[in-house]
Amino acid sequence: NAGVMQNPRHLVRRRGQEARLRCSPMKGHSHVYWYRQLPEEGLKFMVYLQKENIIDESGMPKERFSAEFPKEGPSILRIQQVVRGDSAAYFCASSPLSPPRGVETQYFGPGTRLLVL
Amino acid sequence: KQEVTQIPAALSVPEGENLVLNCSFTDSAIYNLQWFRQDPGKGLTSLLLIQSSQREQTSGRLNASLDKSSGRSTLYIAASQPGDSATYLCAGAGGRLYFGRGTQLTVWP
Repeated sequence: NAGVMQNPRHLVRRRGQEARLRCSPMKGHSHVYWYRQLPEEGLKFMVYLQKENIIDESGMPKERFSAEFPKEGPSILRIQQVVRGDSAAYFCASSPLSPPRGVETQYFGPGTRLLVL
Repeated sequence: KQEVTQIPAALSVPEGENLVLNCSFTDSAIYNLQWFRQDPGKGLTSLLLIQSSQREQTSGRLNASLDKSSGRSTLYIAASQPGDSATYLCAGAGGRLYFGRGTQLTVWP
């Protein structure tokens, strides 16, 4: 059973472009979490999704950021019109369980390092 | 709002030392506390999970304790090795994971 996969591992974008980050959860996992780690900061929760549903997006910036987890295919975190402050490591985690147990049984991917020039 | 603080931010020690990493949290309503290891360019690996009803957990050379009343958790690493070099993160779970900034540990031979 492969672990959580994220791609690309590194992404460079110029200001104003779009960034698409992909996360394939572990097989059998239907719960996906996205986190952002800014330089010199801890990981911050962004959004929690189940298949085809956004359950909690309270950690997502109100503008330019969106997330989806379609019935088929990976979860996508999309950042429109990127700015330099979006440069960070974005981690995805998946779980086979619903909260609250699912919160403590998250398996993390290797992350995508986004650099905005 | 849950705030998680880790001390020290960085630690550099010679091989063989016993280490103490500290984590404090503001909201005692967490229902568990996890310690993770983060290696450069890689994801997080869960090391220990302490349920709110427990006081400590042990795995090999690692021992983590939890004192909810004081809002503190401590990770002990016995007989440190160069392979222990990584960033150690603690996270409180209260509906979601709240992470500290981590302690960057370097163990030199």
